Amino acid sequence: QKEVEQNSGPLSVPEGAIASLNCTYSDRGSQSFFWYRQYSGKSPELIMFIYSNGDKEDGRFTAQLNKASQYVSLLIRDSQPSDSATYLCAGGTGGGNKLTFGTGTQLKVEL
Amino acid sequence: GAGVSQSPSNKVTEKGKDVELRCDPISGHTALYWYRQSLGQGLEFLIYFQGNSAPDKSGLPSDRFSAERTGGSVSTLTIQRTQQEDSAVYLCASSSMVQGNSPLHFGNGTRLTVT
Repeated sequence: QKEVEQNSGPLSVPEGAIASLNCTYSDRGSQSFFWYRQYSGKSPELIMFIYSNGDKEDGRFTAQLNKASQYVSLLIRDSQPSDSATYLCAGGTGGGNKLTFGTGTQLKVEL
Repeated sequence: GAGVSQSPSNKVTEKGKDVELRCDPISGHTALYWYRQSLGQGLEFLIYFQGNSAPDKSGLPSDRFSAERTGGSVSTLTIQRTQQEDSAVYLCASSSMVQGNSPLHFGNGTRLTVT
């Protein structure tokens, strides 16, 4: 079983809609979670991180963490074509242990 | 700039040759990762350095791959006797690891092509 799992997609949403990206993790010791965006041919860039249960909002992005269900999500409001990319979820248990990445979900925002 | 620096940005080599890829992390970052990404694929973890601890080499695909981190800063990933399947983008990332897990900052990668 993979430690961090994501649906590979592609997830297609119309411009202006809410895109919902999901991630589950298997290690209950995981404390920190990160969402990265990766455009084709580019390196991953950090979008958001979340450490506590609940929602964390930053502009059009909201990260949601539910430790009981071992579930992390990223909502993108008012999706734009420029949001089309692969979104990577990563989790870590802290204590000097490495982050583990999911395989990413490809998002396509269509005009 | 203060970001993660990787060199070379592109490397073309003949099958069977050795290559060295360099990563200069953000100053003060104690954690350093190497990943590999083939075309259209996800990040494949290779190796992780954290401070003075023994590196986590669990992702290295074969004994042709090795990595060093000198003085807790610059890291070199070496691939010996390169094969065509080694062709990929090799990404380096670092983080501050002050408490728990801190975000990773990625370099621009080295695109390796083995002919």
